[in-house]
Parts: sequence; C-alpha cells; structure tokens
Amino acid sequence: DAGITQSPRYKITETGRQVTLMCHQTWSHSYMFWYRQDLGHGLRLIYYSAAADITDKGEVPDGYVVSRSKTENFPLTLESATRSQTSVYFCASSESPVEKLFFGSGTQLSVL
Amino acid sequence: AQRVTQPEKLLSVFKGAPVELKCNYSYSGSPELFWYVQYSRQRLQLLLRHISRESIKGFTADLNKGETSFHLKKPFAQEEDSAMYYCALITGGGNKLTFGTGTQLKVEL
Repeated sequence: DAGITQSPRYKITETGRQVTLMCHQTWSHSYMFWYRQDLGHGLRLIYYSAAADITDKGEVPDGYVVSRSKTENFPLTLESATRSQTSVYFCASSESPVEKLFFGSGTQLSVL
Repeated sequence: AQRVTQPEKLLSVFKGAPVELKCNYSYSGSPELFWYVQYSRQRLQLLLRHISRESIKGFTADLNKGETSFHLKKPFAQEEDSAMYYCALITGGGNKLTFGTGTQLKVEL
C-alpha cells in the first residue's frame, strides 16, 4: 500500500558510518515497527513504537536507535554501521499488532 | 520464551498437490497467531489470522493448542502460491508481533 513508504530503497555504506533509514505512514496508525530480514533468521524485530514518543526494544536492538517525535515518522539510525547489519530492513505500521500490519517495500542495506 | 518455529526452510510441491506449511509456537496463555506471505517483488502482507477463521486464497489454518501448532494448509497447490510464508505470534503483552524464520514454498509444474 502506498500509505507506508521507506527510503532509501537501496543503500551502500562503509563500516563506522552513521546511516538513517526513513519510514513514513499516512494512516495515523498508532504502532510502528522495524524488522530486519536475514536468511535463516526470518524477520526479527529491532524496535517498535506504540505511539509518538513511546518506543521499545525488540529482539535485536543493539547498534540501532529510533525516535518517534511525530506519529507518521519512525526513522531507524545505525549509529556506527557494521557488516553484520547488512540486511533488508522493513518498516510496518498498524492500528494494533492484532490487526493487520502494513509493510513498506523495504530498504536493502549493504555495509562494506 | 515466546517463540515461533517453522521447521522447513524450503518446501517444494507439484501443482495440484496438497500443501502443509508447519508452524509451532511456544506461549503461555491464549495465543494469537497469523500467517503472512511475501510474493516475489511484492510487500509482505497478511494472509490470515486464527481469530477470523477465514479461508484466504484457499488456505486455512487451525489452531491446535494440544500440539501448539498452527499449520497452514491448502488442498491443491497453484503456481501462484509460490512465495515466502511467515508464521507470527502476538507477544510482549500484545504490543508486538514475533515472526518465525519463514518457509519458502515452491510449486512446480
């Protein structure tokens, strides 16, 4: 659905650099999520947010920072990128986790 | 620990054959389970959830609390069913969705 957009679509960076992945939704959904998708690990939750200014850690939060100053935006920052953070990152939003999650198209990040 | 297990990384079936994608969960309490699907070059999307007990694209899934399973089934596989399927469980007091490792379904002609 065009209501949730991620940028950039592709990103190549070097180890040690700071990278920010953007996520924007137009539905005013309360919940937003960041997942990473890796072969053999499936989708793993990095951080989630139940509302503006409320964020919480998921399974694999180390090395990542999030903020949610506005309901519609949920950026994910890699403070000092490492090769192990090479992955496909998906943002999602929903009115509630028990309702349907709407996923963005993903950001493919390569850390060299 | 609350987790979801999908034991098969890849499942290959012939067109017209029955399909069963396995999902087992570990959860104390009443679980809320979902199947999500990712078709090639498309976004992840909800396929079905156990609360609604509906059939989507011919797929069904029954919650078996005794076996702690939520297997996804379809009687006759179609080529367009080829995709990555993820089983997911509501965790964290209802605030987050935990996914399994996924099963790649390949339907061969």
